[in-house]
Amino acid sequence: GAGVSQSPSNKVTEKGKDVELRCDPISGHTALYWYRQSLGQGLEFLIYFQGNSAPDKSGLPSDRFSAERTGGSVSTLTIQRTQQEDSAVYLCASSLVATGYGYTFGSGTRLTVV
Amino acid sequence: DAKTTQPPSMDCAEGRAANLPCNHSTISGNEYVYWYRQIHSQGPQYIIHGLKNNETNEMASLIITEDRKSSTLILPHATLRDTAVYYCIVRQSTYSGNTGKLIFGQGTTLQVKP
Repeated sequence: GAGVSQSPSNKVTEKGKDVELRCDPISGHTALYWYRQSLGQGLEFLIYFQGNSAPDKSGLPSDRFSAERTGGSVSTLTIQRTQQEDSAVYLCASSLVATGYGYTFGSGTRLTVV
Repeated sequence: DAKTTQPPSMDCAEGRAANLPCNHSTISGNEYVYWYRQIHSQGPQYIIHGLKNNETNEMASLIITEDRKSSTLILPHATLRDTAVYYCIVRQSTYSGNTGKLIFGQGTTLQVKP
């Protein structure tokens, strides 16, 4: 596609439920990043994919968070047993190579845990 | 990666130049300065980056001091659509094996006024 697509755009879930957030990067972009942004805060790095492997998972806040990428394309971020502090906008970005200026961000998924 | 310091907010009159400062006093020789902006409810957008020379593109100019400890992003003729949060980020070149991830601070909220 022309841009990075994320779905759903909004998700409301009950505390304790699992959620899956999807990211469709720009075709051919090998690098993919997940960030989250809590209300009024800056962006927090979560995980980086190069192809299907994740050489940097240092930003995942707990073992309830996991992510995978298949076919060097679509990525899914899964949050298990959601907590209220997980409420945030989750942003995905892709890049042709792992360069900081080549990022294209999606519009994000707004997750609300009630 | 070096830490950056930006003023939390700035105002600018429409049609005038907006000059956004950034301090990065602990920057090292292989670290680049990047600028991104985030318009409300959208993902961040790349603006410009540089190493030590001043840079200009269709969006903005980047002025880096000779000692590289600070920089200024210049929007030459600000419009209302330039109202956004502007992030100054310092990161290493990917040639050093870096993942290319960007570490976002709190940024500067620029309000362009009519």
